[in-house]
Amino acid sequence: AQTVTQSQPEMSVQEAETVTLSCTYDTSESDYYLFWYKQPPSRQMILVIRQEAYKQQNATENRFSVNFQKAAKSFSLKISDSQLGDAAMYFCAYRSQRRGGGADGLTFGKGTHLIIQP
Amino acid sequence: NAGVTQTPKFQVLKTGQSMTLQCAQDMNHEYMSWYRQDPGMGLRLIHYSVGAGITDQGEVPNGYNVSRSTTEDFPLRLLSAAPSQTSVYFCASSYSGRMNSPLHFGNGTRLTVT
Repeated sequence: AQTVTQSQPEMSVQEAETVTLSCTYDTSESDYYLFWYKQPPSRQMILVIRQEAYKQQNATENRFSVNFQKAAKSFSLKISDSQLGDAAMYFCAYRSQRRGGGADGLTFGKGTHLIIQP
Repeated sequence: NAGVTQTPKFQVLKTGQSMTLQCAQDMNHEYMSWYRQDPGMGLRLIHYSVGAGITDQGEVPNGYNVSRSTTEDFPLRLLSAAPSQTSVYFCASSYSGRMNSPLHFGNGTRLTVT
């Protein structure tokens, strides 16, 4: 079974600084997708960024970028120029395709609570 | 656009009571799913559906039933609530069951079983 590990229960960063959230995963599949979701206090789950395992280029969305190391099974999220609105729980998630069609559900890590210091 | 709508937002049940958490989406999505979120546990998949009439179990299906009679609706039933089912429940849908199809989440239902 796939597992996703987020080793940092909580991270703190000064506003305008850069922070990196770690994620590792375990799988025997060769093709899959990785995601980062943000959950602010409102409880809404918001997709931040996604990466296909077959793409070597790291995904980027504005201030958010990933460092995807497939051999190491590592998928970290870098947030540049941190803003107060970035404060939230961040979840790393994995999804693969089932043989015969249909995708597995998302497998989530336990989350990292990101605090932004003004 | 309403997106994924979950009702109710909050619910308190007594042990042994039954109830249905409602989930509806207006995006014509094929794939729908239910997750539960417990403190320090992330989200775990309960049940999912790849289309009307098709459902399957996820990681933690015990104590929950689902059905998918229409594309839009995917209700989650608790037949006999237990304190261990106290959690926040999320419904999520995606356009297809392909792994690259991003999931859209509802705002969650906080359920307390006393």
